[in-house]
Amino acid sequence: QKEVEQNSGPLSVPEGAIASLNCTYSDRVSQSFFWYRQYSGKSPELIMSIYSNGDKEDGRFTAQLNKASQYVSLLIRDSQPSDSATYLCAVLAALGNYGGSQGNLIFGKGTKLSVKP
Amino acid sequence: EPEVTQTPSHQVTQMGQEVILRCVPISNHLYFYWYRQILGQKVEFLVSFYNNEISEKSEIFDDQFSVERPDGSNFTLKIRSTKLEDSAMYFCASSELGGGNYNEQFFGPGTRLTVL
Repeated sequence: QKEVEQNSGPLSVPEGAIASLNCTYSDRVSQSFFWYRQYSGKSPELIMSIYSNGDKEDGRFTAQLNKASQYVSLLIRDSQPSDSATYLCAVLAALGNYGGSQGNLIFGKGTKLSVKP
Repeated sequence: EPEVTQTPSHQVTQMGQEVILRCVPISNHLYFYWYRQILGQKVEFLVSFYNNEISEKSEIFDDQFSVERPDGSNFTLKIRSTKLEDSAMYFCASSELGGGNYNEQFFGPGTRLTVL
């Protein structure tokens, strides 16, 4: 059973601080990783994708990937109250042992982030 | 900015009835998906669809479910003989690419299905 694990939180940070969200995945041949933001009662909104080891920055967001440790993280700099949401880590399901994709996303349960003014 | 749309936003039905959930994927996307999220639980994959046929399906997607692309824009999920446990948010998603890396999937706003 392919799994994606996240700390459910809630993670509470003060406005302006860095929020750090973590995710681990079980299938070592997975190649593609995504972070979605989900406001309460709304649909997942794609905020970052990452495919290579290392860091990828987009505005206030930085995704970090370590395939050897099967670990993905998301850093949110200068956190704002509007960042308060649940952050979903998603992994593209790998097909067989070669890392090709089946096309479906496996989601973690999400980490609830609360940014306090 | 192009987006995935879904109708209806909320569907209430009686147990045992059939429902059809509708989606219009982003126009240049070729791969379509249905996911569901039971309240308080993970987003779960149901089915993927490409070139007018199912590419992958999960264990959840049994004979009760079917998908169809009836025309050039709509993508539907039919649930026959609904059960109480089918109550969930159903999300449609689409991607330009699929079956490989860089498969960024964009989600519609969802249909909340309530089975009474």
